[in-house]
Amino acid sequence: ILNVEQSPQSLHVQEGDSTNFTCSFPSSNFYALHWYRWETAKSPEALFVMTLNGDEKKKGRISATLNTKEGYSYLYIKGSQPEDSATYLCASGSNDYKLSFGAGTTVTVRA
Amino acid sequence: DTAVSQTPKYLVTQMGNDKSIKCEQNLGHDTMYWYKQDSKKFLKIMFSYNNKELIINETVPNRFSPKSPDKAHLNLHINSLELGDSAVYFCASSQGSGASGGTQYFGPGTRLLVL
Repeated sequence: ILNVEQSPQSLHVQEGDSTNFTCSFPSSNFYALHWYRWETAKSPEALFVMTLNGDEKKKGRISATLNTKEGYSYLYIKGSQPEDSATYLCASGSNDYKLSFGAGTTVTVRA
Repeated sequence: DTAVSQTPKYLVTQMGNDKSIKCEQNLGHDTMYWYKQDSKKFLKIMFSYNNKELIINETVPNRFSPKSPDKAHLNLHINSLELGDSAVYFCASSQGSGASGGTQYFGPGTRLLVL
């Protein structure tokens, strides 16, 4: 099982401010990096899948970058809104079919 | 239309019982998964099936047995339930392996409480 780490574990951000957080993963045997958004009492919802070094993906105010050589991905939230409050999970896939999840970064947006 | 559905959503049962959780996906995906959300909120893979063939079988007690009657269904049967089995179990599906880039779609989860 890959060691996928996310930091910080939680963060608070004022409405309107931008924020970002990290996912680190082993760079060897890397296949794909996923980001999910997980609201309380719901199921994880896919945000992005990235496979190539240098990939950048964007969905509204949320974007992500990928560095496979050094084994990290950043997720950015621009102009945070209360509805962005959720736990953001990253997961890394390797060549053994397994997707290993990090513990998540819980974002709380204060109005 | 619900893409990935699980039944039941809540399951309260006594220790020692046998229970099943069902999962169905209507996305036409070829790969399905069972995850357990542990006490620290980690999602841990238990099993994965590709075209009804078992491809991931993590170290879980053999009291847990998955069954895939067809590509759209992956059920989880648990024998002799123990207190430590209490958790939220998520089913997911993807086209191709999630590890290689197939986006996984998750069901709503089944909250199992063993008394």
